[in-house]
Amino acid sequence: GAGVSQSPRYKVAKRGQDVALRCDPISGHVSLFWYQQALGQGPEFLTYFQNEAQLDKSGLPSDRFFAERPEGSVSTLKIQRTQQEDSAVYLCASSSPRLAGGPPSTDTQYFGPGTRLTVL
Amino acid sequence: SQQGEEDPQALSIQEGENATMNCSYKTSINNLQWYRQNSGRGLVHLILIRSNEREKHSGRLRVTLDTSKKSSSLLITASRAADTASYFCARSPLYGNKLVFGAGTILRVKS
Repeated sequence: GAGVSQSPRYKVAKRGQDVALRCDPISGHVSLFWYQQALGQGPEFLTYFQNEAQLDKSGLPSDRFFAERPEGSVSTLKIQRTQQEDSAVYLCASSSPRLAGGPPSTDTQYFGPGTRLTVL
Repeated sequence: SQQGEEDPQALSIQEGENATMNCSYKTSINNLQWYRQNSGRGLVHLILIRSNEREKHSGRLRVTLDTSKKSSSLLITASRAADTASYFCARSPLYGNKLVFGAGTILRVKS
């Protein structure tokens, strides 16, 4: 099937605006991750979902960042009152986690093309 | 902040030569993954090596892992211009599911 898709691919926001970034994971993938990649750096973890449960949000930089995955499939990352330092590429990834008693985990995370956010 | 380092930061070689990139980390891992990222595009998974593995091959790629030294290397043999990209190692910690990325190595293969 199709890979991970993200929309929009590019977003320009004025400082103070709210933005919503969408991620469609690979069908059937239980785990979904959001990462933030600043220019010239590697991605940094933001948050992780297993199905609809947000199990780790330790990487969210402030309470302006909020993520949800209400039906365990599509996820939305929302940034409120955007600031210039929020400018980055936001990457979504999905994977199938190890299941107890099951085959070896497919720990590989499959990434989408990212959304490039520019805050003016 | 990111844990561990990759070196070199940048590497420029001629087509046909081999490229070696190194990755070091600080905490114990479940597995280590290498990704490629072309300019302005998403991350493409290259290879995954588990903590109980020492070497793995995939086509022109060879990855080694030394858990005692907490380091890994990626070797690309017979490089091609199309291999020009940024390469990242990503550590999967023992506990938790997130990946911890380094800053990457920028590889340029000149034809």
